[in-house]
Amino acid sequence: KAGVTQTPRYLIKTRGQQVTLSCSPISGHRSVSWYQQTPGQGLQFLFEYFSETQRNKGNFPGRFSGRQFSNSRSEMNVSTLELGDSALYLCASSLQGAPNEQFFGPGTRLTVL
Amino acid sequence: SQQGEEDPQALSIQEGENATMNCSYKTSINNLQWYRQNSGRGLVHLILIRSNEREKHSGRLRVTLDTSKKSSSLLITASRAADTASYFCASYGSSNTGKLIFGQGTTLQVKP
Repeated sequence: KAGVTQTPRYLIKTRGQQVTLSCSPISGHRSVSWYQQTPGQGLQFLFEYFSETQRNKGNFPGRFSGRQFSNSRSEMNVSTLELGDSALYLCASSLQGAPNEQFFGPGTRLTVL
Repeated sequence: SQQGEEDPQALSIQEGENATMNCSYKTSINNLQWYRQNSGRGLVHLILIRSNEREKHSGRLRVTLDTSKKSSSLLITASRAADTASYFCASYGSSNTGKLIFGQGTTLQVKP
């Protein structure tokens, strides 16, 4: 099976812009979770989508949003970018979330200037 | 918030030596997972150990779980330079959704 894919791999934006990141999960997986990784905060959970519904959300401002399509592909959007949004954004897919393994994509490196 | 704390934060060893990393967690779990991350890349799933298991092996990896102490350890035997990476433990905690909570990770350097 093909692994989790994320596009784009690298992105440079300026403050105030918005960005959309895409994630294609492993075929048959219905749960897609998003994480933000920064040197200071480590790996933090953003949100999870399961069967097109947001099932869980982390402690991030409303500028961070996401959605999931009927084919389980997911997108996350960050509006009004801030310098602190510079991070590696990781997407993970699993069959149904807990208690299954999560498999991660290569990540999107976002730099906000 | 971090579910787990990992110890040590950094570890440097010679090729051929064993590396042991420890993870402690706070809430009850149904399983615990270990991941590896090479510099700036995605996480690679290494092993999952269920709460009713005490030890699990996968190749050169050995994971133990002590639910009474809320701790787990990852042992890499006969380490190689290619094992140089950061290692993270993660669990779902009390959530039954897709929210994994990660420790801060252990950075392992294996010198050739």
